[in-house]
Amino acid sequence: GQSLEQPSEVTAVEGAIVQINCTYQTSGFYGLSWYQQHDGGAPTFLSYNALDGLEETGRFSSFLSRSDSYGYLLLQELQMKDSASYFCAVRDLKSNYQLIWGAGTKLIIKP
Amino acid sequence: SAVISQKPSRDICQRGTSLTIQCQVDSQVTMMFWYRQQPGQSLTLIATANQGSEATYESGFVIDKFPISRPNLTFSTLTVSNMSPEDSSIYLCSAFYGQGKTNEKLFFGSGTQLSVL
Repeated sequence: GQSLEQPSEVTAVEGAIVQINCTYQTSGFYGLSWYQQHDGGAPTFLSYNALDGLEETGRFSSFLSRSDSYGYLLLQELQMKDSASYFCAVRDLKSNYQLIWGAGTKLIIKP
Repeated sequence: SAVISQKPSRDICQRGTSLTIQCQVDSQVTMMFWYRQQPGQSLTLIATANQGSEATYESGFVIDKFPISRPNLTFSTLTVSNMSPEDSSIYLCSAFYGQGKTNEKLFFGSGTQLSVL
């Protein structure tokens, strides 16, 4: 079957670095995406990895290892506004343009 | 980036009635997706809406309950029919936008928070 696993909750301190992991099991992997969702808001795109390695966008980086079916989102210099839920999602060839979503990780940032 | 306008943003409805949610994209997109999300939970795909053809529904969702229209490449509607309190949720429309690598970016409308009494 198709599934993604990510921690339900992560707590970190303002200014610190946090890593949110995502492992996936799909029948036809195409790429791993990350989305951020603030309470009461819609998900917004953060990053996408189709190939192994690290993609960096400002304070956020995303990593993919296709051989390990594993990826992570790295958030640096945490700010209070980064408090949100983070979803990993996999585009599966057999689901044709659909994204398979993880359950989401709630990131709590303490001052 | 793409802009997706969704309305209404919220509504409170009586059971047995229907609500139509509208979604307008600022550019032409091939597929639009309708999701449902309960507070604190992940997104559940309701259906994929293609222009000129019937929507494709996911397991557990049927056309009679969630009819979808897709009259052109920039607009879609989702109707929640014969509502019950179990339909209370946030409904989101979305679309992939862009070419190549950027095509992996899914844009969302602002969502419709539906409460059924």
